[in-house]
Amino acid sequence: KQEVTQIPAALSVPEGENLVLNCSFTDSAIYNLQWFRQDPGKGLTSLLLIQSSQREQTSGRLNASLDKSSGRSTLYIAASQPGDSATYLCAVKDSNYQLIWGAGTKLIIKP
Amino acid sequence: GAGVSQSPSNKVTEKGKDVELRCDPISGHTALYWYRQRLGQGLEFLIYFQGNSAPDKSGLPSDRFSAERTGESVSTLTIQRTQQEDSAVYLCASSTGQGRWGYTFGSGTRLTVV
Repeated sequence: KQEVTQIPAALSVPEGENLVLNCSFTDSAIYNLQWFRQDPGKGLTSLLLIQSSQREQTSGRLNASLDKSSGRSTLYIAASQPGDSATYLCAVKDSNYQLIWGAGTKLIIKP
Repeated sequence: GAGVSQSPSNKVTEKGKDVELRCDPISGHTALYWYRQRLGQGLEFLIYFQGNSAPDKSGLPSDRFSAERTGESVSTLTIQRTQQEDSAVYLCASSTGQGRWGYTFGSGTRLTVV
């Protein structure tokens, strides 16, 4: 059974720092991995989608990597800003096309 | 449409009343999820539709909850005899039935049972 784990559960850093969020999964038979952002009281916004054949995806200050063989993905945020404060969730699309979620990392960027 | 549309965006109902929530997925998306998210909590899986296959209803918390979807069209989530613990944001997400594409979420329906 696929399980997804996110570390750390919470992270607080000063504005301007680069940071890394981690996501690990137990079964490498995935179609893709998606990173989402959720602001308090709001829905989920998809940040990056990495196909199982890809190693990384970039969007602006965000870079997501995928190492399928080791069951790991990282989300790198460069030059963090207070507006980056949110909960970050990763989810894998498994061989049955279903989404398996991590519990999220709550990120706080201090001005 | 361009995105996943959910309606209403907010719903306040009295305890004991029935409510119906609607999700309009992206055109052509065969996979559709309903999730519930209570305040300060994570996503709670409710039900999953994939094309014309039998839905995965394993996440529905009680028989007061039901959901329908015909083919690749609109889905409705119905909660009968609402209770205060049903208060939450209900989120819908859709994707193609192929491996390549990711999921897109709607903005959710915030349900408050008073």
